[in-house]
Amino acid sequence: RKEVEQDPGPFNVPEGATVAFNCTYSNSASQSFFWYRQDCRKEPKLLMSVYSSGNEDGRFTAQLNRASQYISLLIRDSKLSDSATYLCVVNMISSGSARQLTFGSGTQLTVLP
Amino acid sequence: NAGVTQTPKFQVLKTGQSMTLQCAQDMNHEYMSWYRQDPGMGLRLIHYSVGAGITDQGEVPNGYNVSRSTTEDFPLRLLSAAPSQTSVYFCASSGLPTGGRDTQYFGPGTRLTVL
Repeated sequence: RKEVEQDPGPFNVPEGATVAFNCTYSNSASQSFFWYRQDCRKEPKLLMSVYSSGNEDGRFTAQLNRASQYISLLIRDSKLSDSATYLCVVNMISSGSARQLTFGSGTQLTVLP
Repeated sequence: NAGVTQTPKFQVLKTGQSMTLQCAQDMNHEYMSWYRQDPGMGLRLIHYSVGAGITDQGEVPNGYNVSRSTTEDFPLRLLSAAPSQTSVYFCASSGLPTGGRDTQYFGPGTRLTVL
């Protein structure tokens, strides 16, 4: 079983649609959670952190359910520029001061005109 | 600030050749890491460093060496390239964590093909 699993995708949605991505993680001791965005043939960039109480950044809403070990990302009013691959990322802090991010394999989103 | 820079952008090697992928950051970050990205597998951690002189293995370290002689630089060495090392390699850096909520800054990547 992968440590971080995401919806396989791809998602093709019309402009203006609402789309949701899900992610589950296997390590209950995971400390912090993120969504990264990766454009085609580019490097990943942080989209938003995911807080226990849920958080919103404009059209993007992230939620965390620690009991179910589940993370979600909701995008409202999709724009063409939202087309990208969305990576679910979990920080599984190992012993000592080492930090390791574990990445899901990503979900590809294409917003269609 | 240039952020995280990587060279080269593209590289083709023959099996058995060795080379070094360069990574530098100008943000005075303590933490640096190397990932490889393969289709359908997400990014996997190769090696990481929590400061100058300190390195450790990640998930897939075999066939790679790293060193961290300065805060700014974190080169990745391929000792004897194999076709299985064909991948996109990303270097990343971040500051020390505060409450675990740190941001990783990635370089633009090196696309490596091993024939």
